[in-house]
Amino acid sequence: DAGVTQSPTHLIKTRGQQVTLRCSPKSGHDTVSWYQQALGQGPQFIFQYYEEEERQRGNFPDRFSGHQFPNYSSELNVNALWLGDSALYLCASNLGLVGEQYFGPGTRLTVT
Amino acid sequence: AQSVAQPEDQVNVAEGNPLTVKCTYSVSGNPYLFWYVQYPNRGLQFLLKYITGDNLVKGSYGFEAEFNKSQTSFHLKKPSALVSDSALYFCAVRDSGNYGGSQGNLIFGKGTKLSVKP
Repeated sequence: DAGVTQSPTHLIKTRGQQVTLRCSPKSGHDTVSWYQQALGQGPQFIFQYYEEEERQRGNFPDRFSGHQFPNYSSELNVNALWLGDSALYLCASNLGLVGEQYFGPGTRLTVT
Repeated sequence: AQSVAQPEDQVNVAEGNPLTVKCTYSVSGNPYLFWYVQYPNRGLQFLLKYITGDNLVKGSYGFEAEFNKSQTSFHLKKPSALVSDSALYFCAVRDSGNYGGSQGNLIFGKGTKLSVKP
């Protein structure tokens, strides 16, 4: 049973560029959440997708957007990259209201 | 607003000794509490959770946590530490809002680095 997978593992972008990160949830899970973890910090919630709709959003600007596909996989898009967007981006999935969130290995984004 | 505090940036323990990693929380309503562990350059691994029931929760790798409602704490414990337990530990609380059928997001503490020396 595959867990949460994310791609790519690492990414280097230039300030002002756009980036797309991808996530496949754990088998059987229907909800995907995205978190940003800056160096030395705890993960910060970006947004959550359920039934192909954004259900919750954290305190992140509109430059951060996402999508969930019918197979429950998800994308995180960041436009007009800032240096401060450099972080580990974590995807988590869960099923229903009670189950715990399972995290993927993350995508390390570096903006130069 | 809901929040979690981990008062210690780092905890140092000798192998074989008991360990405790502290966490306090602030929530409205009943808390859903979690502990995750993160090894270098890795994602977060679920250790245990408290939803309801017994105040002592047992989890993976011999870890357990004690829920104390009066002290609003959820400390992580292990009777005998291993060098391989050295990692970054995060306490989290789930947002209790109603989000159209989906569960609330996790609110994390800033993490505690556990170092276990041989």
